[in-house]
Amino acid sequence: DAKTTQPTSMDCAEGRAANLPCNHSTISGNEYVYWYRQIHSQGPQYIIHGLKNNETNEMASLIITEDRKSSTLILPHATLRDTAVYYCIVRGNMEYGNKLVFGAGTILRVKS
Amino acid sequence: GAVVSQHPSWVICKSGTSVKIECRSLDFQATTMFWYRQFPKQSLMLMATSNEGSKATYEQGVEKDKFLINHASLTLSTLTVTSAHPEDSSFYICSARAGFLYNSPLHFGNGTRLTVT
Repeated sequence: DAKTTQPTSMDCAEGRAANLPCNHSTISGNEYVYWYRQIHSQGPQYIIHGLKNNETNEMASLIITEDRKSSTLILPHATLRDTAVYYCIVRGNMEYGNKLVFGAGTILRVKS
Repeated sequence: GAVVSQHPSWVICKSGTSVKIECRSLDFQATTMFWYRQFPKQSLMLMATSNEGSKATYEQGVEKDKFLINHASLTLSTLTVTSAHPEDSSFYICSARAGFLYNSPLHFGNGTRLTVT
């Protein structure tokens, strides 16, 4: 599975959009980009995933660059409850058994 | 949405005893579940892949005789920490894939906080 690089931490003002970047320059053609978040002392929560097209759901939008080497998770109107560690993960090889391997993630702090 | 339930949410046990943690997929069947461990201020570390009806696959460095995994049905996997020691104190989290496509997302339980005294 391709490795990902994320900033260690970011701050965002409440009500503003939070844009979380992720680099995955070694991604291969069949690998998807997944985003999860983990609020303190809870299990990770699935947010969104995509292959090459931009995706949007009720939680967030995922923007993937045309060369697929990077992506951005957008929380359109961040609230204090969005404070969490956000993980960008690349997965796709069926022989890898569908495992999700977590990196260090980005600590997002939403401030009032 | 897909729900994964873990029980118990926290447990305290004495050194040398065994502890069983249950992971259930509530509204879907899961042929494969995954067990993770997380130490304070660290990321999740994959321990093993639990396969329904067959032996679990353990990640390198994880002792299979210490962390017994049983996936007896399509909705239940259990992790038993045998002869627990204080260094086994950690946050244990399970996950399962909801959906048949290989790109279907994994959903996670809320974790079990194990403290060994």
